[in-house]
Order: sequence, then structure tokens, then C-alpha cells
Amino acid sequence: QVQLVQSGAEVKKPGASVKVSCKASGYTFTSYGISWVRQAPGQGLEWMGWISAYNGNTNYAQKLQGRVTMTTDTSTSTAYMELRSLRSDDTAVYYCARWNEVVAAIFDYWGQGTLVTVSS
Amino acid sequence: EIVLTQSPGTLSLSPGERATLSCRASQSVSSSYLAWYQQKPGQAPRLLIYGASSRATGIPDRFSGSGSGTDFTLTISRLEPEDFAVYYCQQYALFGQGTKLEIK
Repeated sequence: QVQLVQSGAEVKKPGASVKVSCKASGYTFTSYGISWVRQAPGQGLEWMGWISAYNGNTNYAQKLQGRVTMTTDTSTSTAYMELRSLRSDDTAVYYCARWNEVVAAIFDYWGQGTLVTVSS
Repeated sequence: EIVLTQSPGTLSLSPGERATLSCRASQSVSSSYLAWYQQKPGQAPRLLIYGASSRATGIPDRFSGSGSGTDFTLTISRLEPEDFAVYYCQQYALFGQGTKLEIK
């Protein structure tokens, strides 16, 4: 069965960086992209960007350009999301999700989420 | 830029009732790329409907989706206690703001 397992919660100070991992299993990793979606406390879902696990191509949300980097390690079927220059409004649960364009441009499987808290 | 607007913001119903949730796009979108998700507190979102009307694997048939152009609807025919959650529509990288379905 498809599973995405994310790394644990993080507490960071403003200005620091965080790197969240997402280990995939149960499918051919390079056949699908991985998207990252975040959710601030009590708020809705915000798409952060996408990476092709096939060739590493990326597409980032405009508001995060310059602060976010998404990468993959195909040898371990793991995706990573690094966010730099953290601010208090980056406090959120960060989700990875499999991006399925084969069916209909959907996030068909999700990780369990990683809480990132930014606080001085 | 397309905006997805969901209504109502909160819907209060009782188990056994029918729920109708709306998602309106600011301009016409392809129904092939309109999806719905359910999110319960403390959990990741779960895919319910894709292509506006196709149920995802394992989704009960009390959930149905319809619509085209700018207006899309998620219908839950007879609410079960586990259906009370927040529902989001999605089109590519865009999400609606969500509808909270709460127990009346």
C-alpha cells in the first residue's frame, strides 16, 4: 500500500531553516511527483510547490520563491522540503502528498504531517 | 488568477440528513481537474472525489460530486457521525477555503 512517512516535529527560531523529509513506499517513486502543502493553525490548505521525482524539476509557489527548496533522493525514495529564513507565520503543519497527474491532477496520498513551530 | 470559493463556511446538520457543499470557481475550469478532500481534526486530508464526480478508492457511495464550468457540488446523501469534518475543493495548486460540516 502507498505510504508517505514524514519526519518529526521541529521547533525553530526566527531566521533559522528547517528541512522536512517524506519517505515514500508502496509505489514506483519516480513515476509520480511530490507536492508540499502547509496548514497554519486553524487555517486552510496552502500549496507550497511540487517536485518531479523523475527528473527533479520543481515549481514553487510565488510567495515562497527564494526561501524554499524541494529535492528528492531516488535511492531512498525520499523527498525533502527545506524552508529558510523562518518567520513566525511559517508555523504550520507541513504535509507531503503524492501528485497524481496520470489520473486527474490530484493529491491522492498524504503524509501524516510535520508540525513546524517558529518561536523565539 | 482563479479563486475557488466554498459555501457555506459552516454547515450544521444532524446525522441522517443530506449535506450539499458548494465550490465556485472565479472562471470556468475543467471538471476533469476538480477534486474534493475531507479533513478531520489532527489528520491529513483524504481524497474523496476527483474529476468532479469520480469517487476515490474506498470512498462510500453516499459521497457524490457533480458540476461543471464554475459551479461544483459535493453531496453526502445521508450523514454518518464520521462525516463531520472540514471539506476542501481543489483545482491544480488551488484550494478552496473549506466548509466545516458540524453536528447540529
